[in-house]
Parts: sequence; C-alpha cells; structure tokens
Amino acid sequence: ETGVTQTPRHLVMGMTNKKSLKCEQHLGHNAMYWYKQSAKKPLELMFVYSLEERVENNSVPSRFSPECPNSSHLFLHLHTLQPEDSALYLCASSPSAGRANEQYFGPGTRLTVT
Amino acid sequence: SQKIEQNSEALNIQEGKTATLTCNYTNYSPAYLQWYRQDPGRGPVFLLLIRENEKEKRKERLKVTFDTTLKQSLFHITASQPADSATYLCALAPWGANNLFFGTGTRLTVIP
Repeated sequence: ETGVTQTPRHLVMGMTNKKSLKCEQHLGHNAMYWYKQSAKKPLELMFVYSLEERVENNSVPSRFSPECPNSSHLFLHLHTLQPEDSALYLCASSPSAGRANEQYFGPGTRLTVT
Repeated sequence: SQKIEQNSEALNIQEGKTATLTCNYTNYSPAYLQWYRQDPGRGPVFLLLIRENEKEKRKERLKVTFDTTLKQSLFHITASQPADSATYLCALAPWGANNLFFGTGTRLTVIP
C-alpha cells in the first residue's frame, strides 16, 4: 500500500468549494489512473495518464479536472461538485498503460459533498 | 450491452473449505482477466492475471480458471482462512482497449 499514497484520506466539502486530491506513486511506473468507487457500483475509470499525457477521459464532467505534472504525481482538482459525487476516489499506477499490466492502487480519498 | 457480473454480492464459507467465486461477462472480448482483493477502507490489491489462451493459473492457495466459451472465470481459494475475508473483484482488459473494466465484487466471509 505504501507504493501509492493519496491525500487527504477523507474530505468533506460544500458544493461551492474548490479542493484537490493528490496521488503519488513510488514504483517508477509510467501510467496513472483516477477511479471513482460508489456503493454497489463497479469501479468507474475517470482518467488515464501515460508519461504525463492524458490518454483517456471517460466522459467525466468538467467539474473534475486532472493534472499530471510528472510521472510520479497525479492530482484531481474539484470544483462545484454535486452530492452524487460523494464516493471513494482511488488512484492507481501501472508500469505502462497497456491492458496486460496489473494496477497498484492507493488507499483512496473518501469524499463527501454536502 | 456490456456486463460483468460476479455471482453474488456476498458469500459465507466455513474455514478450511474451498471458496469459489464466479465472474461472468457479456459482450466483451477479453484479452486478459484479473482478480483483485479489496479490504474495507483500502484500495484493491492485485492477485492474479490470466490471458485468454490460458485455462488456469495458480498462486499458492489461489486458482483462477478462464473459459472464453462460457464467458466465465472462476476464482478459488483453497483451505480458506478468516484472513481471506474481503471483497474480491474481477476485471477485464478487452481487445481494442487499454483499460480495465471491473465487476461489482463479491464479499467473502470465512467463518471460523
């Protein structure tokens, strides 16, 4: 679990706030991912970055804005969220963005939008 | 429509028995299939990967089978222990995509 870290672990924000989630991987991987996990639903892929370039944007609303300044760090900037955005947000990394790679997940940020 | 279904939301099993979890898929052509374990409050942890041309893969007490005709993968834990209690997720990596698509998971409880 220490290979991929996420901060904060818990976040409560109002609908008009702006906040950011941070992810850092210490595994030397080239691909990083953001997922959303809601109760009783499968993990939903949000964004994929490969070598700091966004290669997948899975029809995510613009109130979620990712940033990948280097291959070790990934951010998710949040603004004007809705209550239905409350969920566990998971970051993951893999050696490359190919489908044969297993993914290493962080512990997640539990987000509550009030 | 595309679906990944894991047999049941929850499965209880007696310690020492073999737990068998099922992952069925519809309208996918998976190149790879992966299994992950997720504990409460934590991210998923990778367990095993099996390719479409492999029938079976083993790792210690874990065994995965992959039947592309039945469109099904079975995940077995032999000699189950209470520490095996967790949610188990299957994930497909289809041809033509670089992403993983996850099932909703099966919550396994091993009763001492």
